[in-house]
Amino acid sequence: GQNIDQPTEMTATEGAIVQINCTYQTSGFNGLFWYQQHAGEAPTFLSYNVLDGLEEKGRFSSFLSRSKGYSYLLLKELQMKDSASYLCAVVPGGGNKLTFGTGTQLKVEL
Amino acid sequence: DGGITQSPKYLFRKEGQNVTLSCEQNLNHDAMYWYRQDPGQGLRLIYYSQIVNDFQKGDIAEGYSVSREKKESFPLTVTSAQKNPTAFYLCASSISPGTEETQYFGPGTRLLVL
Repeated sequence: GQNIDQPTEMTATEGAIVQINCTYQTSGFNGLFWYQQHAGEAPTFLSYNVLDGLEEKGRFSSFLSRSKGYSYLLLKELQMKDSASYLCAVVPGGGNKLTFGTGTQLKVEL
Repeated sequence: DGGITQSPKYLFRKEGQNVTLSCEQNLNHDAMYWYRQDPGQGLRLIYYSQIVNDFQKGDIAEGYSVSREKKESFPLTVTSAQKNPTAFYLCASSISPGTEETQYFGPGTRLLVL
């Protein structure tokens, strides 16, 4: 079976750094996606990790540890517009369907 | 502008009625997907299509049907057999069927039952 865990909600302050964690237990693993979704809108692609390590893309970075079944999304210099849900999705081994976590609702406050 | 469009933005269904949600893409993507999103739950796959004239059931296909007669179009019908259809429906596409390919999402259709 597939199991993906993310915190339900997080709150952070404008200008700060926040780390959103995702742990997974899947039958095989071929990669992990992070998406951002504002309320009532479409998810938009943020990152895709296949190999262990940190990938940086502007204010957003994503980390993967395959041996630990763990990923995180790091958001720096938080802005109010970063208030959104962040979805973690795993590419299973040998499968043909993504498995999504329930998402982490991030609220950025002044 | 290339992208994925879904219509309508809001749709109301009466008891016993079938409704069809539209999804069109002009990205020349081979694969298309339908997901359902409910509060507090992750996106759940309803149906997907890897190529024209072919589609497969996802995890929650009961009460839904699809067709893929054209590469650009992948409409979803919510039938009267779907007893709890109220949800946010998202269509997505990817350049090829592999799960490692990034999926790009449409703006969604919110379905409400009268």
